[in-house]
Amino acid sequence: DTEVTQTPKHLVMGMTNKKSLKCEQHMGHRAMYWYKQKAKKPPELMFVYSYEKLSINESVPSRFSPECPNSSLLNLHLHALQPEDSALYLCASSQTSGGYTDTQYFGPGTRLTVL
Amino acid sequence: GEDVEQSLFLSVREGDSSVINCTYTDSSSTYLYWYKQEPGAGLQLLTYIFSNMDMKQDQRLTVLLNKKDKHLSLRIADTQTGDSAIYFCAESIPSGGSYIPTFGRGTSLIVHP
Repeated sequence: DTEVTQTPKHLVMGMTNKKSLKCEQHMGHRAMYWYKQKAKKPPELMFVYSYEKLSINESVPSRFSPECPNSSLLNLHLHALQPEDSALYLCASSQTSGGYTDTQYFGPGTRLTVL
Repeated sequence: GEDVEQSLFLSVREGDSSVINCTYTDSSSTYLYWYKQEPGAGLQLLTYIFSNMDMKQDQRLTVLLNKKDKHLSLRIADTQTGDSAIYFCAESIPSGGSYIPTFGRGTSLIVHP
């Protein structure tokens, strides 16, 4: 099973709302990632969790708050977002994040629209 | 995406071969990847090549790596309409103790009948 699942598939929220994106994998991977992708652009790395600890935060605004409750789950909590945060949010996982052999497997993404 | 460059578009006829090219800059790259993204979907890993290899073949896909020129290509034989998608080249480079892929801007492959 090489599947990474993400929910919801689509999300529309107002700038004052609080919502969460969820990601799950059952491949036994110990590294999980959040990426943001705008239309016609490559994915941009936001956060990396390694063994449930945040190891990389690419200077992401605090209105995005990641959480890794266990090795299979990764959440992204959203609060007070701006319209320019509208994008496809991709989750990925890999066996570990320290090794050069680590191939990332991506979920289908959550399409977020901020009104 | 600045360190990985790809042409933005490629148009081919169904049944022909497609060749998507990529150049990268970091000589410490260890693995290089090709991902496919269909409209509205996530990234699907197609294939990858270790930096000490010159070529890798996987069914209709052939990856060629010229490490001296830092040039990577993906050849798709007998291209089908289902191959229409955006193809991202990525290099895996060390960053803060981890190896994180750096993506190119993606090449939109359009296959017409």
